[in-house]
Amino acid sequence: GQSLEQPSEVTAVEGAIVQINCTYQTSGFYGLSWYQQHDGGAPTFLSYNALDGLEETGRFSSFLSRSDSYGYLLLQELQMKDSASYFCAVSTVAGTALIFGKGTTLSVSS
Amino acid sequence: GAGVSQSPSNKVTEKGKDVELRCDPISGHTALYWYRQSLGQGLEFLIYFQGNSAPDKSGLPSDRFSAERTGGSVSTLTIQRTQQEDSAVYLCASSATSADTQYFGPGTRLTVL
Repeated sequence: GQSLEQPSEVTAVEGAIVQINCTYQTSGFYGLSWYQQHDGGAPTFLSYNALDGLEETGRFSSFLSRSDSYGYLLLQELQMKDSASYFCAVSTVAGTALIFGKGTTLSVSS
Repeated sequence: GAGVSQSPSNKVTEKGKDVELRCDPISGHTALYWYRQSLGQGLEFLIYFQGNSAPDKSGLPSDRFSAERTGGSVSTLTIQRTQQEDSAVYLCASSATSADTQYFGPGTRLTVL
């Protein structure tokens, strides 16, 4: 089967750095995406990696190692508004539907 | 510009009834996806439309589920003879081409009593 594993919950304080890991087992791999979802809201796109290495977008960075079937999302200078669920998602072929992990709930406290 | 819109935002129905959920993708986006999200779970793929190609229906959980996309734009997901296990948030996403980022709508929360 196809599966993505990510921690169910992470807690941190404002200003801290947190890393959310994602390991995947899929038949084929094209790219790894990260989405943020606030309670009751739509998933919003954060980052995408197709090649090994680090992609940086402001306070958020995403890393991919294709040989290890592993990636992570790094959130720096955490703010209360970053409290949300974060999903990793794999595309196995360009343009097909994404396969999502079950999500990591991040709680940021003051 | 306008994002993906979905209607209704909430739908409560009785077991055995049919429901229709609507998705308006971002204008000009050729690819459209339907996903389902159960409470506390990730998103589960249902069906995918790309241009005029035959849709990828591989994620539909049963033959009670069907979807159409008219004129390459608006899509309707229909669930016939709804069951309680159909209760979930149904999310629609679109992308400019099949290889681009998917942008999600706010979803329709379906409750089957």
